[in-house]
Amino acid sequence: RKEVEQDPGPFNVPEGATVAFNCTYSNSASQSFFWYRQDCRKEPKLLMSVYSSGNEDGRFTAQLNRASQYISLLIRDSKLSDSATYLCVVIGDYGQNFVFGPGTRLSVLP
Amino acid sequence: DGGITQSPKYLFRKEGQNVTLSCEQNLNHDAMYWYRQDPGQGLRLIYYSQIVNDFQKGDIAEGYSVSREKKESFPLTVTSAQKNPTAFYLCASSDVGANEKLFFGSGTQLSVL
Repeated sequence: RKEVEQDPGPFNVPEGATVAFNCTYSNSASQSFFWYRQDCRKEPKLLMSVYSSGNEDGRFTAQLNRASQYISLLIRDSKLSDSATYLCVVIGDYGQNFVFGPGTRLSVLP
Repeated sequence: DGGITQSPKYLFRKEGQNVTLSCEQNLNHDAMYWYRQDPGQGLRLIYYSQIVNDFQKGDIAEGYSVSREKKESFPLTVTSAQKNPTAFYLCASSDVGANEKLFFGSGTQLSVL
């Protein structure tokens, strides 16, 4: 089993839709969690950290379920500019061990 | 502006040649990383360093070498032993501690001639 797995995608949704991505991780000792966004042939950029209590940033909501070892990202009112690959990142139980999921590609269609 | 600078943006390697990718950061971060990304794939860790003059192998270190002589710099050499070097290479840095975030350079696309 891979350390971090994500919905395989791609997700093709119309503008204005709500879309949710899921990510599961295998290391129960993982401490920190993030969502990154990556545009084609560009570097990943931090979208948001994921906190135990859940957190929201505008149209984006992240949730963490430690018992089931999964993280989710909800995007409301999708925009064309949201089209990108979304990477789930988990910090393991030692040092700065950032582990990346394979990413889920989103295409928002006009 | 604070950030991470990678160069060159594009690099071509001939058979049997070693090439070096540059990575410089002025964020005063202690930790630096090199990742490889193949088309349609996630990021895989090549090497990382949490302090000057010290570095550790990641998941795919074979055929690569690094140095960390200065806090700001973490160059990656792709040696001739790396038989499939064509990929997008990303350098990143972070502070060391709980919940620290990773910041990336703009990447180097390496191709084999």
